[in-house]
Amino acid sequence: TQLLEQSPQFLSIQEGENLTVYCNSSSVFSSLQWYRQEPGEGPVLLVTVVTGGEVKKLKRLTFQFGDARKDSSLHITAAQPGGTGLYLCAGVAGANSKLTFGKGITLSVRP
Amino acid sequence: DVKVTQSSRYLVKRTGEKVFLECVQDMDHENMFWYRQDPGLGLRLIYFSYDVKMKEKGDIPEGYSVSREKKERFSLILESASTNQTSMYLCASSATRDPRYTFGSGTRLTVV
Repeated sequence: TQLLEQSPQFLSIQEGENLTVYCNSSSVFSSLQWYRQEPGEGPVLLVTVVTGGEVKKLKRLTFQFGDARKDSSLHITAAQPGGTGLYLCAGVAGANSKLTFGKGITLSVRP
Repeated sequence: DVKVTQSSRYLVKRTGEKVFLECVQDMDHENMFWYRQDPGLGLRLIYFSYDVKMKEKGDIPEGYSVSREKKERFSLILESASTNQTSMYLCASSATRDPRYTFGSGTRLTVV
């Protein structure tokens, strides 16, 4: 069973702070995705990273895929209250398109 | 705007009732998935389907069944609802060779 461990599990920060959260595995993934889920809604895809070492930016969010394609990080610059939510990472291991999800990181950004 | 639509946002059912959760997607996706989401346990896969009339068990299929008679519709059935099936249920779809999921808004089911 391929597992994705996300850390920290919970994070509460002040508006304007920077933070980095992690998604780690002992398995290699062909690609990795990050989703954000607001309370009472379904997850929404933020980004897909495919190449080892790849860095993608989405407004204040910077995503990096590890060189060995076993881990990923999400860095948020100057967090805003609108960024509050559950951040899920999900990996694709093989030819089938079934994702393995981490348990998520609950982020609260206080005004 | 492409969509996955779940028929109900909130449902309250009694123990022992047969419950149907419906999911419809308008993206012509081959793959459809049902998850439940509980605090501390993350997303757990109940059933999935790669094609019409095909279904495969996920990690926690006990107490559930599914139906996929048409490509766009994937139904989750709780044969006899129990209180431990109180949860947030999420439907998702994806295309073959493109593993990006589109999720519905979820159905919060309470079994009393």
